[in-house]
Amino acid sequence: AQRVTQPEKLLSVFKGAPVELKCNYSYSGSPELFWYVQYSRQRLQLLLRHISRESIKGFTADLNKGETSFHLKKPFAQEEDSAMYYCALKGGTYKYIFGTGTRLKVLA
Amino acid sequence: NAGVTQTPKFRILKIGQSMTLQCTQDMNHNYMYWYRQDPGMGLKLIYYSVGAGITDKGEVPNGYNVSRSTTEDFPLRLELAAPSQTSVYFCASMGSGQNEKLFFGSGTQLSVL
Repeated sequence: AQRVTQPEKLLSVFKGAPVELKCNYSYSGSPELFWYVQYSRQRLQLLLRHISRESIKGFTADLNKGETSFHLKKPFAQEEDSAMYYCALKGGTYKYIFGTGTRLKVLA
Repeated sequence: NAGVTQTPKFRILKIGQSMTLQCTQDMNHNYMYWYRQDPGMGLKLIYYSVGAGITDKGEVPNGYNVSRSTTEDFPLRLELAAPSQTSVYFCASMGSGQNEKLFFGSGTQLSVL
């Protein structure tokens, strides 16, 4: 079955602390994974994709096929990082499956 | 450039009523999607389309219908509204090739009472 699991509904960290948002997936083929973010009163938008191996706004994510994980990390959280984060899996041709999301709150 | 436009933004329906959620995009994208977002449940794929005239079911298609007569439009139809369909609905579109990312609309908040 194709599935994306984000075990934390809410993650609260202090400004300047490291952040790790967890994402695990289940997929029989070669996965393509993404992180989408929804800031307050904004549309859901792409943050980064594993295939690009990029760092966006200080966030990185590494695909670990052995652990079937794609955790999102940032070494020093900022208040403007507070948002809802969704991990997504491309499950088949142009079909995208989303996790339940994690709300990140960065405290001053 | 408007991107993905959804109408209406809010709607209240009575049980058994029908309605169509409109979605249009002006980016000439082939791929379009409908998701629903329930609290604590994340985004669930209802239907998607890979081009005009082609649609396919997602994870939760029951109670919904779609059509894709043009590249721009991808309406979602609720025939007999039920309280379980109370949700926020998002439409998204995507181009092909290297620029593979979903562009989302602003959402429609639907309540069925």
